[in-house]
Amino acid sequence: DSGVTQTPKHLITATGQRVTLRCSPRSGDLSVYWYQQSLDQGLQFLIQYYNGEERAKGNILERFSAQQFPDLHSELNLSSLELGDSALYFCASSPRARINTGELFFGEGSRLTVL
Amino acid sequence: EDKVVQSPLSLVVHEGDTVTLNCSYEVTNFRSLLWYKQEKKAPTFLFMLTSSGIEKKSGRLSSILDKKELFSILNITATQTGDSAIYLCAVESGYGGSQGNLIFGKGTKLSVKP
Repeated sequence: DSGVTQTPKHLITATGQRVTLRCSPRSGDLSVYWYQQSLDQGLQFLIQYYNGEERAKGNILERFSAQQFPDLHSELNLSSLELGDSALYFCASSPRARINTGELFFGEGSRLTVL
Repeated sequence: EDKVVQSPLSLVVHEGDTVTLNCSYEVTNFRSLLWYKQEKKAPTFLFMLTSSGIEKKSGRLSSILDKKELFSILNITATQTGDSAIYLCAVESGYGGSQGNLIFGKGTKLSVKP
């Protein structure tokens, strides 16, 4: 158990809908990262927040948005869903802004299926 | 465009075999290279490499980085069925005080048969 909690574990929805994925980082970790893992693309970095502020942005679509709240939990919002958005979405946390120790703690992921 | 390429994409071996997984990269402003093991869901950290030629070792696993040729290898000796997993290579890139982002390869799926 990494200490990173993601909900829901599984989610099935229809095209055009909107969903929210939630992540609670390890106690004391200030950075939260979101990754998307699909079969053909591997793990793709979406976005990072550090202590409530957006820190880095990767291949995140405009239909997706995220935020980190004062209690450090984070939410990833996916809207106007398309079939291609079906993937495993991981949240990871680390203590600082940079991955100094090289260690990200990953949650178990939220599997999104868009029908 | 930054990229990380892993080979082979999949590998089937028998218990006791030794395997070598490869990771090559092209990134601007390299900071570190990391290996992760993904068994069922969450990737777990194995190694972080920043300097060329220095082997990192943990039990039967070891890894080394070549910053001149831009690659790393992960060796697993005396493989066991519990080593079956997807092994992910990631490179952290970034510059100055900016955050380094992890760019992942697609992974090598290792299957160890009894």
